[in-house]
Amino acid sequence: DAKTTQPPSMDCAEGRAANLPCNHSTISGNEYVYWYRQIHSQGPQYIIHGLKNNETNEMASLIITEDRKSSTLILPHATLRDTAVYYCIVRGNFGNEKLTFGTGTRLTIIP
Amino acid sequence: NAGVTQTPKFRVLKTGQSMTLLCAQDMNHEYMYWYRQDPGMGLRLIHYSVGEGTTAKGEVPDGYNVSRLKKQNFLLGLESAAPSQTSVYFCASSSQGLRTDTQYFGPGTRLTVL
Repeated sequence: DAKTTQPPSMDCAEGRAANLPCNHSTISGNEYVYWYRQIHSQGPQYIIHGLKNNETNEMASLIITEDRKSSTLILPHATLRDTAVYYCIVRGNFGNEKLTFGTGTRLTIIP
Repeated sequence: NAGVTQTPKFRVLKTGQSMTLLCAQDMNHEYMYWYRQDPGMGLRLIHYSVGEGTTAKGEVPDGYNVSRLKKQNFLLGLESAAPSQTSVYFCASSSQGLRTDTQYFGPGTRLTVL
């Protein structure tokens, strides 16, 4: 699995859009980008994933650059409940079911 | 639909004691996983299972054993607990999708080994 690089921490004002970057310059053609988050002491929660097109669901949007070497997770209207550690994970889909969690980005939403 | 549940939520052991952590899922998922998370670190995969009766080693399997006798249950055993196994243990499950796969996690078990 490709390695990812994320900033260790970020702050965002409540009500604003939170933009969390992730670099994955060694991603290969069949690897997807997944985002999970972990709210304090709870199990990780799936947010969104994508291959090369931008994706949106009820939680967030995922923007993947054309060369697929980086992506951005967007929480459109951050609330205090979005304070969590966010993990960007690159993972293949055939024969390897491992999710490799790094240290993620600790996002703090400021009231 | 309870999702993924873990038993117990907390446990304190003495060095050398044994215990079993139980993970159950009601989503009919084929894949199940055990992770550990140490303070300030991401999750690390201990063992996983791709179906009933099968198990495989993850990144940090030493000191643990697992069993998947029923599709809905995945057991993690510590035969002789050590202080280095103090951690939070998370179980997860997923279905084997055609191209993509997402994992659903349980609430975790906090284990302290004295």
